[in-house]
Amino acid sequence: SYALAQPPSVSVSPGQTASISCSGDKLGDKHTCWYQQKPGQSPILVIYHDNKRPSGIPERFSGSNSGNTATLTISGTQAMDEADYYCQAWDSSTAVFGGGTQLTVL
Amino acid sequence: EVQLVESGGGLVQPGGSLRLSCAASGFTFTTADLNWVRQAPGKGLEWVSHISGSGLTIFYGDSVRGRFTISRDNAKNSLFLQMNSLRAEDTAVYYCARVSYDFWSGKYSYFMSVWGKGTTVTVSS
Repeated sequence: SYALAQPPSVSVSPGQTASISCSGDKLGDKHTCWYQQKPGQSPILVIYHDNKRPSGIPERFSGSNSGNTATLTISGTQAMDEADYYCQAWDSSTAVFGGGTQLTVL
Repeated sequence: EVQLVESGGGLVQPGGSLRLSCAASGFTFTTADLNWVRQAPGKGLEWVSHISGSGLTIFYGDSVRGRFTISRDNAKNSLFLQMNSLRAEDTAVYYCARVSYDFWSGKYSYFMSVWGKGTTVTVSS
């Protein structure tokens, strides 16, 4: 079955750029999306169609997808961005999530 | 405002059954694809099942296929998940979510645009 791999944790200083990777076989041939989940809350969609932001998501969130890797980039990271982030793609009639990355802003 | 509200969670013994519900409002329910996603305590997200707006297209994750059944009542704007033969590893928060599923720019696209707050299922003796 298809699998997506994410680093368990990423740390970033406030105001700096955070990059979270998501890797899978020929992932660039699929659309990837990203969800943010804060403790005790439901996930929210922050990126879809590889690089599109839903209404209400700040411009500092961006995405890319090529080859075997999709990347979520947060520019000018703020303390409020500290959360778990999950990538997700569709393969063989199954939605597949990455294992999640805990973003720490310190 | 788009809203999804899950209910029906609780404590159940291994081998037992439970039926989850998700009440939807704020969008045209009959044309909306929906799914269930779960999250075990301290773990990541796991996709469970998908149903199309018409109810004619259904998919299941490997870990629940044959035990869980997804359905919907478009007259009542409601989504359901019938869970049978429950196991300890089914313990999780279960979320319903509105899905966008299409073929866009040469690739299949599947994402969950709106999520409910979840309902907790605990399988334990």
